[in-house]
Amino acid sequence: QQQVKQSPQSLIVQKGGISIINCAYENTAFDYFPWYQQFPGKGPALLIAIRPDVSEKKEGRFTISFNKSAKQFSLHIMDSQPGDSATYFCAASGNAGNMLTFGGGTRLMVKP
Amino acid sequence: GAVVSQHPSWVICKSGTSVKIECRSLDFQATTMFWYRQFPKQSLMLMATSNEGSKATYEQGVEKDKFLINHASLTLSTLTVTSAHPEDSSFYICSANPSPIKSTGELFFGEGSRLTVL
Repeated sequence: QQQVKQSPQSLIVQKGGISIINCAYENTAFDYFPWYQQFPGKGPALLIAIRPDVSEKKEGRFTISFNKSAKQFSLHIMDSQPGDSATYFCAASGNAGNMLTFGGGTRLMVKP
Repeated sequence: GAVVSQHPSWVICKSGTSVKIECRSLDFQATTMFWYRQFPKQSLMLMATSNEGSKATYEQGVEKDKFLINHASLTLSTLTVTSAHPEDSSFYICSANPSPIKSTGELFFGEGSRLTVL
């Protein structure tokens, strides 16, 4: 059972545009929702994370929007750059520092 | 930020041999480490939870006798793929849970180890 569904699977955005990736979860016990960025051949690196007590969190060009009632959260990358081209994973866990359940991933390509 | 190191970063072996992958937390102690497997263009799938000083907890469908996990110290966990076969070829990634847990809840990931079984 896939507990975290991520869409789209792939995304192409022009440089300077906004990249939007969406995730939905099923387990209401989840209380920590991070986003990871992964480059080919590398391990995932934490981008930004949110907890259910806030609806939005912004760090630089990256913003997470969280809708607890809908059990959905999304990543917005503003002013997307070619260097942002990577695979992005949303994830969720039930306790801080506990094992993560990952979404299926989104391959983002930002065209110059 | 905290650093998790994996070794080797890539390994090629013959079918039937065993391969050991190490995961080290370099600047923090980790009572818990997680092992993930990632096939090409797919997501990370949790294989097992490694607990220092006790037996690992395996996810459903993961053979514990094939994927041996040892977490003998607070900074080292090892994954041994026994009698490897071509279908075991994958990218293996570990993550570590700092002790005490950071208030941010962040897990730290290693760079991954690519296993190719011929």
